[in-house]
Parts: sequence; C-alpha cells; structure tokens
Amino acid sequence: DGGITQSPKYLFRKEGQNVTLSCEQNLNHDAMYWYRQDPGQGLRLIYYSQIVNDFQKGDIAEGYSVSREKKESFPLTVTSAQKNPTAFYLCASSMTSGNPDTQYFGPGTRLTVL
Amino acid sequence: GENVEQHPSTLSVQEGDSAVIKCTYSDSASNYFPWYKQELGKGPQLIIDIRSNVGEKKDQRIAVTLNKTAKHFSLHITETQPEDSAVYFCAASRRTGTASKLTFGTGTRLQVTL
Repeated sequence: DGGITQSPKYLFRKEGQNVTLSCEQNLNHDAMYWYRQDPGQGLRLIYYSQIVNDFQKGDIAEGYSVSREKKESFPLTVTSAQKNPTAFYLCASSMTSGNPDTQYFGPGTRLTVL
Repeated sequence: GENVEQHPSTLSVQEGDSAVIKCTYSDSASNYFPWYKQELGKGPQLIIDIRSNVGEKKDQRIAVTLNKTAKHFSLHITETQPEDSAVYFCAASRRTGTASKLTFGTGTRLQVTL
C-alpha cells in the first residue's frame, strides 16, 4: 500500500523534554510538510521541504526543528522551547511535477505534554 | 500572507438535504483551492479541488464553485448521508518553488441527522 505513515499515534511527554515525531512516505513525493492542528482550528504550517537536505520555515516554526536526510522521511522535533506543544500533528506530502499542488495527509500524531 | 475565512463553523442538516459551506480568501495570487474531510482522530482526506482557471467542478454528490473576482469558493453536498458527518476544511494555495503552501480555513463541523 502506498501512503504516509506517522508514528506513534499517541505520544506523552513531560514538560521540558524534546520529542521527535516520525513521518514516512512511500509515494515517491519530493515535497513534505508538517502541520499543527489545535481544537476548533484549522491546520497551520510548521515546516516544509521541497527536496532532500533542504527545508523552509512555515508560519509557526518557533520551537520546532526538522531534518530531511532521505526522500521518504521528514521527522519533526518538538523542542522544550515550544510554549504550547500539546496538539495534533499532521504530516503531508506532494509531488513536484504533474499535480504538485495536491497534498496527501498522514493519520496524525496526538502529542500531549504533561 | 494569505487569510482564509470559512463559514459556518457548524452545520446541521437532515439526511437527504443539501449542505453548503463557504470560504473567502485574501491573496489574489492563490490559484488552487482544495477541500478536505476530516473524521475524528484522523488525518484530512482530499474530497475535491478546483483551480483558478475553472469556475465549477462536480464529482457525484459533491461540487465546488469558485468566484475569482469576489475571492470566494463554496462546497456543495447534495443528498447528504449520515456518513457525510465530519469536519470539512477549505484551503487556498499558491506555488512556492516546487512546494505548495496551503492556508486553511477554521473548519465546518457538518452533522447529518436521520
């Protein structure tokens, strides 16, 4: 099956700890994205990457970091500098040719910081 | 930057009735407008999209209309069914290099009652 996987589905961490969320895709997409979703709100862009070893900040990058060492993987680290890290995190990917605008989403990771 | 407003925030219809959700956007350079359906605890799924060179698109019971002059677009669901109950998000996008930056509305919770 082709698709985007995110793990784990639920994640609990203590305040002050860094935590890394996994995102893997086997769609052969070049571009990948991370969004944050808070209750009753839309999705907000954290970081995106158009190609391996390159990424750009989105609208709410403060307190987050990413890496893109492989085409298939785009992990997100939520650092202790993020003031309100509890949220639902969604990873997405898109092609860079053909129909590059359409983004496909993974199932999400719900992070709770205690 | 782009700003997308979505109305209503909640919508309740009887099974078989039609549902309409409306969105406005601010950036005239936006040229791609997808609609996503999100079920509880899951990632958003693309249900229909429209590009700025098209005024209307239909896929079975779902249709989207776009008015570029007024900068608004709408989702129309006819003959609603209980399985249509979910949160629906509109988004507006313009290309940034080979990636596409989506700005989302705040969502509409649709409830289809029997």
